[in-house]
Formats: sequence, C-alpha cells, structure tokens
Amino acid sequence: EAGVTQFPSHSVIEKGQTVTLRCDPISGHDNLYWYRRVMGKEIKFLLHFVKESKQDESGMPNNRFLAERTGGTYSTLKVQPAELEDSGVYFCASSQTLAGGQQYFGPGTRLTVT
Amino acid sequence: QQPVQSPQAVILREGEDAVINCSSSKALYSVHWYRQKHGEAPVFLMILLKGGEQKGHEKISASFNEKKQQSSLYLTASQLSYSGTYFCGTETTDSWGKFQFGAGTQVVVTP
Repeated sequence: EAGVTQFPSHSVIEKGQTVTLRCDPISGHDNLYWYRRVMGKEIKFLLHFVKESKQDESGMPNNRFLAERTGGTYSTLKVQPAELEDSGVYFCASSQTLAGGQQYFGPGTRLTVT
Repeated sequence: QQPVQSPQAVILREGEDAVINCSSSKALYSVHWYRQKHGEAPVFLMILLKGGEQKGHEKISASFNEKKQQSSLYLTASQLSYSGTYFCGTETTDSWGKFQFGAGTQVVVTP
C-alpha cells in the first residue's frame, strides 16, 4: 500500500512569491491533515479535511494560506504571498478513522522563503 | 493548547533506559507517540486510548494516566536506532482528530 506522498520535497522561493504544496493521502482515507514545523519548534496543526470539506481550519496562520481538497482526494496548500516566517516543513497526514485513529504522515515539504 | 513534554533532550549510552513525559491541561481522549529522525517524516510508534493502558513497540512502551492527563514513554535498553526526536500528540475529547503536539524530546543514543 502506498503511503502519503508530498510534492515537492523542497521548495525555495523569494518573499512575495507564491508556492503550492501538494499532498496525496493514502487511498480511502477520508481524513487529511496539514501540519507545519518551524525550525526548533513543535509540529503545529493547520487544518483538517473530511473528504472535501474543511472540518477544522483553526490552525491556519492567516489568509495568505489557502487549502483545498477538490473531489476529496489530493489536497493543495497555497501560500500567497509567501513571507519569511512561512519557512518550515509542511507535513500532511491522513487517517481512516477520526477519533483515536492513527495518522500516517507524509515525508514533508521543506519550504524556504528567502 | 500544546501538551508539555519533558525532558527537552536526553543523551543515553546504548543499553540505558529513559522516560519521556507528556502532560496536558485538558482531558484527553488519546495520546499518540511518534519518533522523527532528521529530515524524515514522523513515524508512528503507538496510540494509547484508555486510562492506565500500556502498550509496547519493541522495547519501547508507554503508559497513559487518564486521570492525571499525562502519558509517559519508556525507552528500555536503548539501541542506537532509538535516536531521534520523540513527539507526543494529544487528542482531546472536544477535538477529535486534531492533534496538538508537544515540543519534542531529542534523544541521542551513543555507543
């Protein structure tokens, strides 16, 4: 069974530019999560999709971040315009069940904003 | 609210034991433990769902004290492969599926 995949693995952009991160969850997993880890800090929750619906987006830092999950399959996270403080590793995770379900993490996308 | 993990870091000799603690200020439904090696995705270790439950993964075990709202991860007879950063992810009874992660505990196992 294929795991969670994320693209790209590393992105370097200039401040003010736009970047789109993609996550392909494990097939059949309705729940998809985005997390971010800024260097030296804890992994922080960004948002949670159930199928194509945003269940909880309370962790999204501001309106420069836009997440979509059209069709309830893969998800994209767009940052526009990017700022220096957006640098970090963005993880995607998926799970089959909600409460108490194991979340399977992707390898992460390292975003560097210069 | 993020759970509090302690210690921040621990250095062990191969074969030694260590305990990592994770405390929450809110009632917990579950505690999930992950280990992350540098540049890699967090790897799932175990989920604890019930009060007082203990689970094991190789020589790594954990307990969950629901009443005290805390969990402990026990690294027994540590191996070099245990090195990495350990995170606890907590799920509260009013927020299914939304993990709050601790700051992580860096574990270094030396020969």
